[in-house]
Amino acid sequence: SAVISQKPSRDICQRGTSLTIQCQVDSQVTMMFWYRQQPGQSLTLIATANQGSEATYESGFVIDKFPISRPNLTFSTLTVSNMSPEDSSIYLCSVEALMGAHGYTFGSGTRLTVV
Amino acid sequence: GENVEQHPSTLSVQEGDSAVIKCTYSDSASNYFPWYKQELGKRPQLIIDIRSNVGEKKDQRIAVTLNKTAKHFSLHITETQPEDSAVYFCAAPGFGNEKLTFGTGTRLTIIP
Repeated sequence: SAVISQKPSRDICQRGTSLTIQCQVDSQVTMMFWYRQQPGQSLTLIATANQGSEATYESGFVIDKFPISRPNLTFSTLTVSNMSPEDSSIYLCSVEALMGAHGYTFGSGTRLTVV
Repeated sequence: GENVEQHPSTLSVQEGDSAVIKCTYSDSASNYFPWYKQELGKRPQLIIDIRSNVGEKKDQRIAVTLNKTAKHFSLHITETQPEDSAVYFCAAPGFGNEKLTFGTGTRLTIIP
């Protein structure tokens, strides 16, 4: 399956600032997904990043707060903007497995703490 | 969109016994049902999945069953071991079968 490199692995940020999270995949993929996992909770989809078009956001998430870039088929970034303590979470990117394989693979996650 | 419900939220079983976790989904168009295991501080890892053209799939001590009529699927772990202790998530893709909606998770504890 695809190998995803996600960074940073963790960060502590001041409220009001922004953090950009990067995901690099070792193969070309059509769609990349960004999830949020709040402490002790399940995974919630933030948006789907498609190369060459704007990201598609889920209900409750907006582009101004979580701008996404997808410059090519192997890379995407998620920015958490104007952060508040409520944004403290683990953020994970995910891609579908390679053609012919099943499943979705996750990056190692970014543990964000906003103080 | 897809709605996935998962039960129980916590489950404790004696080592060697079996564990069963159940999920229901709402979108009849879904045709792919994965299960993920997440150990503390780690990313979710796919452990088994099933597509809607089969009713059961088994991989050593792990099996998944699917009932499309009733729109539910279950994870079965037999001969449980301490390393099975983790949080397990089911998921379903909904219309278009692309993005995944996750269940709320089950914290499984294996008692030695």
